Formats: sequence, structure tokens, C-alpha cells
Amino acid sequence: NAGVTQTPKFQVLKTGQSMTLQCAQDMNHEYMSWYRQDPGMGLRLIHYSVGAGITDQGEVPNGYNVSRSTTEDFPLRLLSAAPSQTSVYFCASTQEPSLETQYFGPGTRLLVL
Amino acid sequence: QQPVQSPQAVILREGEDAVINCSSSKALYSVHWYRQKHGEAPVFLMILLKGGEQKGHEKISASFNEKKQQSSLYLTASQLSYSGTYFCGTQRYQGAQKLVFGQGTRLTINP
Repeated sequence: NAGVTQTPKFQVLKTGQSMTLQCAQDMNHEYMSWYRQDPGMGLRLIHYSVGAGITDQGEVPNGYNVSRSTTEDFPLRLLSAAPSQTSVYFCASTQEPSLETQYFGPGTRLLVL
Repeated sequence: QQPVQSPQAVILREGEDAVINCSSSKALYSVHWYRQKHGEAPVFLMILLKGGEQKGHEKISASFNEKKQQSSLYLTASQLSYSGTYFCGTQRYQGAQKLVFGQGTRLTINP
């Protein structure tokens, strides 16, 4: 099993550009989530999904869109990148309704100029 | 609302003990602990549930005081491999679909 995979590993964008961060898992997990990690701020939830076709907002959803057409994939779209979105983005998944044992992907480091 | 972790950073020598605290202003159903090594993804350590159930790591223990909305992670006889940043994640009620993480505690273990 590959676990949770994320692409790209690193990306540089200009302000106003859009892009999609890819996340996939091969563990048949229903719950998937996106976090951003900034220095001193911990992990902040952007969006999450409890199954295909079901998504909802987390703590910091503004400027991001998600969709979940399959169990395996959960892409995160930046609509119009801003310097404030410079961060490390982690995707995570779990099969547990209690949200325990979330498996995190390796992360995508995004720099917005 | 984000839980508060203390201390923000701690430096130990190998073999010493450490306690990391996580406090919330809201009632909690569960507390989850993760460790993240530099440049890597967070890794699940353990979960503590309201009512006393605890699941997770063999060599790391934790407590959860439901009345005080606090959890503490105990790292005894620390090893070099314990170095990293520790995060607590809190779940407000059973079935809540969000974890809210604290800002992290950086633990450095020196030989």
C-alpha cells in the first residue's frame, strides 16, 4: 500500500494563479481532510470529507475548494493564490469515525509570490 | 477554538522525563496526540476518550482530565527518537467530524 500520496511536493505560484493540490489514498478510507501548517499555528483544518460526494468546511476554508468524486481522491483547489496561502499542506485520511489514527501524506510546500 | 499547549519548547538530555500539556476552554470528548519529526508528516501516537479509554503507543502514556478539559502527555526515560514536535488534537463531542489542533510543543533530546 502506498498510503496517502500528495503531489506536487513543492510548488511556486504567482499571486492570482490557480492550482490543484492532489491527494490520493489506497486504504479505502471514508474520511479525508486537508490541513495547512504554518509556523507557530499548528495544523488548521481547511476542508474535510466523510465520503464520496460529501464535503464540508473546516476552520480556514476561504480561498479553497474541494470535491470528492471517488473514495480514493480528494483534491484541493486554490482559486486565486495569495501570499497568505504560502504554507505546507497536508492531506490525511482515516477509516475510524472517531477520527483516530489519521494517516498523513508527505505534504506539499507551497510558496506564493 | 484552538487548544493551548505548554510548554512551547523543551530541551532534555537522553533519559530525562518530559510532560506536555494540552488545555481547552471547551468541553471535550477526546484528545489525540501526534508527533511530527522535522520535514516529515505527523504520526498518530494515541487517543484518549471521555470515560477513560486510552488507545495507542506502548511506551508513551497520557492522561485526560475531562473536568478540567486538559490532557497531559508523559515521556519517560526519553530517547533520542522522541525528538520532534508534539501536537494535541481535540474533538468536542462524540461524532464530531473535526479535530482542532494545538500550536505544538517542540521537544529536543540531546545525548
